Amino acid sequence: GQQVMQIPQYQHVQEGEDFTTYCNSSTTLSNIQWYKQRPGGHPVFLIQLVKSGEVKKQKRLTFQFGEAKKNSSLHITATQTTDVGTYFCAEWAFGNEKLTFGTGTRLTIIP
Amino acid sequence: NAGVTQTPKFQVLKTGQSMTLQCAQDMNHEYMSWYRQDPGMGLRLIHYSVGAGITDQGEVPNGYNVSRSTTEDFPLRLLSAAPSQTSVYFCASTRRWTVYNYGYTFGSGTRLTVV
Repeated sequence: GQQVMQIPQYQHVQEGEDFTTYCNSSTTLSNIQWYKQRPGGHPVFLIQLVKSGEVKKQKRLTFQFGEAKKNSSLHITATQTTDVGTYFCAEWAFGNEKLTFGTGTRLTIIP
Repeated sequence: NAGVTQTPKFQVLKTGQSMTLQCAQDMNHEYMSWYRQDPGMGLRLIHYSVGAGITDQGEVPNGYNVSRSTTEDFPLRLLSAAPSQTSVYFCASTRRWTVYNYGYTFGSGTRLTVV
């Protein structure tokens, strides 16, 4: 079935550096949702992207949906220790009405 | 609003035992899902439901049963526990999808160990 791949699997950055995770699919995505999971916690919804080329910002976080709707990215500017966690993209599949998660990118911050 | 409540938070089972993981939401969400998360891995969909009386299989349904008799509750039953079912189980719910979807709300999880 549909599988959404994320890269990188792990990312270690110095506090204050930027961070980007990419979500890629071989087929056109209906939409993309992004979630954050803190260590030992549960996933928390961040945002949904629906339109081709869409860009949304939440403070230091910038989310993009590719023009062909086959990829998406999450960029964090000037990381802070509170950004530690695993970031997942997920596709909501119309018709099946189910949410399928990507493989995730685990971010660690070096103070 | 309690959100999504999962019980128990921790459970140890012996191989072959059965049990039910409870999930309840008080947000009147139509959609509910169960995911499992293994160490260092992503979230895999076990079963999901788009409304009371309607359930469907996800990626990894074998060994699990679900039912949705009410909008609020979506229990997950392990029929005969196996060590391969050691995992963290998350229940999640959301409104029917719209362009303004707020995404899934997750419970805090049940950590299950099968010995």
